[in-house]
Amino acid sequence: QKEVEQNSGPLSVPEGAIASLNCTYSDRGSQSFFWYRQYSGKSPELIMFIYSNGDKEDGRFTAQLNKASQYVSLLIRDSQPSDSATYLCAVNTSPGTYKYIFGTGTRLKVLA
Amino acid sequence: EAGVAQSPRYKIIEKRQSVAFWCNPISGHATLYWYQQILGQGPKLLIQFQNNGVVDDSQLPKDRFSAERLKGVDSTLKIQPAKLEDSAVYLCASQEIDRYYGYTFGSGTRLTVV
Repeated sequence: QKEVEQNSGPLSVPEGAIASLNCTYSDRGSQSFFWYRQYSGKSPELIMFIYSNGDKEDGRFTAQLNKASQYVSLLIRDSQPSDSATYLCAVNTSPGTYKYIFGTGTRLKVLA
Repeated sequence: EAGVAQSPRYKIIEKRQSVAFWCNPISGHATLYWYQQILGQGPKLLIQFQNNGVVDDSQLPKDRFSAERLKGVDSTLKIQPAKLEDSAVYLCASQEIDRYYGYTFGSGTRLTVV
């Protein structure tokens, strides 16, 4: 059974701090990794994707991938109250397809 | 570009009734997915279409769920008969062929079975 695991939280950080969200996956053959943000009552929206080991930065967001340790993380710098949402990690475990397995999400609260 | 359209936004039905959801993907997107998201969980893939063919329906409870995508554009997902545990948000997503950049979700249909 291929799994994607996240701590459900809530993770509470003060405004302006760095929020660190983590995700581990079970299938070593996984090749692409995605972070989605989901506001309460809304659908998920893609914020980052990463394929290669290392860091990928986009504005205040940095995705980090370590395939040897089978984890992917998302850092949010200068966290804002508007970043408060559930962050879903999604993993493509089937090369050649675009099917994702989603984690249960981590709820982030940024305190003003 | 217009996003993925879904309707209805909300639906409340009694158990054993039937219900249908509709999805219109982004124009030109060949691949369409239906996901089920139960409260507090991540989305779970139910079925994947490419054009009007089914690519994967291994997690679709076929005794009660059915889906079709006529002419490779719009899609409908049907549940008959509904059970209490079918209460969830049903998300439709679409993607261009061979694009690795993740896909776009519609706003979802929230189903409550009472």
